[in-house]
Amino acid sequence: GENVEQHPSTLSVQEGDSAVIKCTYSDSASNYFPWYKQELGKRPQLIIDIRSNVGEKKDQRIAVTLNKTAKHFSLHITETQPEDSAVYFCAALGGSNYKLTFGKGTLLTVNP
Amino acid sequence: NAGVTQTPKFRVLKTGQSMTLLCAQDMNHEYMYWYRQDPGMGLRLIHYSVGEGTTAKGEVPDGYNVSRLKKQNFLLGLESAAPSQTSVYFCASSYGVAAYNEQFFGPGTRLTVL
Repeated sequence: GENVEQHPSTLSVQEGDSAVIKCTYSDSASNYFPWYKQELGKRPQLIIDIRSNVGEKKDQRIAVTLNKTAKHFSLHITETQPEDSAVYFCAALGGSNYKLTFGKGTLLTVNP
Repeated sequence: NAGVTQTPKFRVLKTGQSMTLLCAQDMNHEYMYWYRQDPGMGLRLIHYSVGEGTTAKGEVPDGYNVSRLKKQNFLLGLESAAPSQTSVYFCASSYGVAAYNEQFFGPGTRLTVL
């Protein structure tokens, strides 16, 4: 089955700095890569996703890049703000098209 | 629309007791999922369903059973609870079609087994 590795497990940045979280996946048939944000005590919520036919996608301060050859994808957050503090999960949708495999999460802390 | 709802929000069980967690969605989604979330382990898939009347095992199915008798509901059962099942349980749903893969999560159920 699919295996998703996520790094780092914790990340601390100063407000205004950029943050980068990286994930690798094992199933070359995977074709959909979402990123979820989970604030403390809340449910995970989708913040951005990318499909395998696209190399990069941007939405205001967040962007995701995908390298299919290397089987890795990354989340980039620019001009970080304290409200960006949360746990971020990457995930990959395998060839079955309905099961997401999640990374173990990255705790991002943005210090004012 | 309420989206995805879960009942109950919190529960404390003693070892060996049974319980059922209810997930309901009003988005007419075909696919529904049960995950458990433990510190440092991310979200792990317990069971899932690709349509009414269907269920399948996920990554960590042992000790759990599920049923999908109605399209909008997905039930997770623990027949004989164990302390290792202490966790936060999330239900999710999605259309399931390739172009619409986003999973919408419920608010979670915090279960403690003593």
